[in-house]
Amino acid sequence: AQTVTQSQPEMSVQEAETVTLSCTYDTSESDYYLFWYKQPPSRQMILVIRQEAYKQQNATENRFSVNFQKAAKSFSLKISDSQLGDAAMYFCAYRTGNQFYFGTGTSLTVIP
Amino acid sequence: KAGVTQTPRYLIKTRGQQVTLSCSPISGHRSVSWYQQTPGQGLQFLFEYFSETQRNKGNFPGRFSGRQFSNSRSEMNVSTLELGDSALYLCASSSLAGGPETQYFGPGTRLLVL
Repeated sequence: AQTVTQSQPEMSVQEAETVTLSCTYDTSESDYYLFWYKQPPSRQMILVIRQEAYKQQNATENRFSVNFQKAAKSFSLKISDSQLGDAAMYFCAYRTGNQFYFGTGTSLTVIP
Repeated sequence: KAGVTQTPRYLIKTRGQQVTLSCSPISGHRSVSWYQQTPGQGLQFLFEYFSETQRNKGNFPGRFSGRQFSNSRSEMNVSTLELGDSALYLCASSSLAGGPETQYFGPGTRLLVL
């Protein structure tokens, strides 16, 4: 069965610093996609970044980047120059075919 | 473009009742997925519809059902409500089903079962 594990229920980071959120997944598939979603308090969930498993190059979106280790089934999110607006629940997600699996989330606090 | 809309935003029901939730996807999107979000279980996939056909279904009992209309709007129905059905129900739309297509989420419907 496919599962997504986020081992850090809560994380905190000082404003302007860098933080890394961890995610591991379990799958027997070779073709899949990985995502990080952000859910601010009482706001809609939005996509932060995505990665195709067949691409070796790590995805980057402005201050957000991933460290994708396919063999280790690891997909961590690095947030550089953290801002107050980055405070949110972050979900790692895995998709294969028409099935979507989410981790339980990491609550990120940004300290001014 | 207008985002994904969900109605109603809040709902209170009692055990044994049934409920219907509605989701209007972004214009042009033909895929609609439903998720249940609870503090204990996180986000769990319910089902996905594409062009009025259910493409896949998560591990939920038959009390949970859905449908999609020709205009891509989707409804989710839960019959014989249980206390454990209290959750935030999220709908997400994308232009295609499967693959790396970005899903755009609605604000959710918060259901409380008493």
